[in-house]
Amino acid sequence: EVQLVESGGGLVQPGGSLRLSCAASGFTFSSYAMSWVRQAPGKGLEWVSAISGGGGSTYYADSVKGRFTISRDSSKNTLYLQMNSLRAEDTAVYYCAKDNMGSQPGHYFDYWGQGTLVTVSS
Amino acid sequence: EIVLTQSPATLSLSPGERATLSCRASQSISSYLAWYQQKPGQAPRLLIYDASNRATGIPARFSGSGSGTDFTLTISSLEPEDFAVYYCQQRRNWPLTFGGGTKVEIK
Repeated sequence: EVQLVESGGGLVQPGGSLRLSCAASGFTFSSYAMSWVRQAPGKGLEWVSAISGGGGSTYYADSVKGRFTISRDSSKNTLYLQMNSLRAEDTAVYYCAKDNMGSQPGHYFDYWGQGTLVTVSS
Repeated sequence: EIVLTQSPATLSLSPGERATLSCRASQSISSYLAWYQQKPGQAPRLLIYDASNRATGIPARFSGSGSGTDFTLTISSLEPEDFAVYYCQQRRNWPLTFGGGTKVEIK
């Protein structure tokens, strides 16, 4: 059974940093691209970042480019999102999501974690 | 960036009725569109990918159609568990984008 479990969310001040983690199990982690998708309170879904199965290719939404870094550790079956220079508008539930096709990102998401809430506020 | 516009924003229907949801893309995306269902407090669930292919375990009452810029998600006969918010998503170009959602509520 595929499982994705996020952690690392919490309250952070504007300008601060946070690192999210997503522990994956139930599939061959290195064979699938992964993404982070966020959802502001009461709002819709926004794709944030994606990474290829091998970790060599990464993609970012313009809203986070230069501030967020996606990475993965296949030895730990874990996906990460390093978030720096956080802003109030980054407040959201952050989901990790598995690509449904394979190691190259840019498809759809067939499994999602339960999400972790990031609140940016003073 | 490809903008996806979903309509209507809210659809009020009764169990057993047919639901028709629309998603329009700002430029052609071929058939590179998915539909997701999200219930309160839950993560989204993939229903349809590449416009018309049902994801694993999705009931046959859910169907998708369309290509180019106009897409439709149809729920043939609403079950109580189908009342939720539905999102479309395109994969034609980076960045991947989602529509604003359609809420299907009980009338």
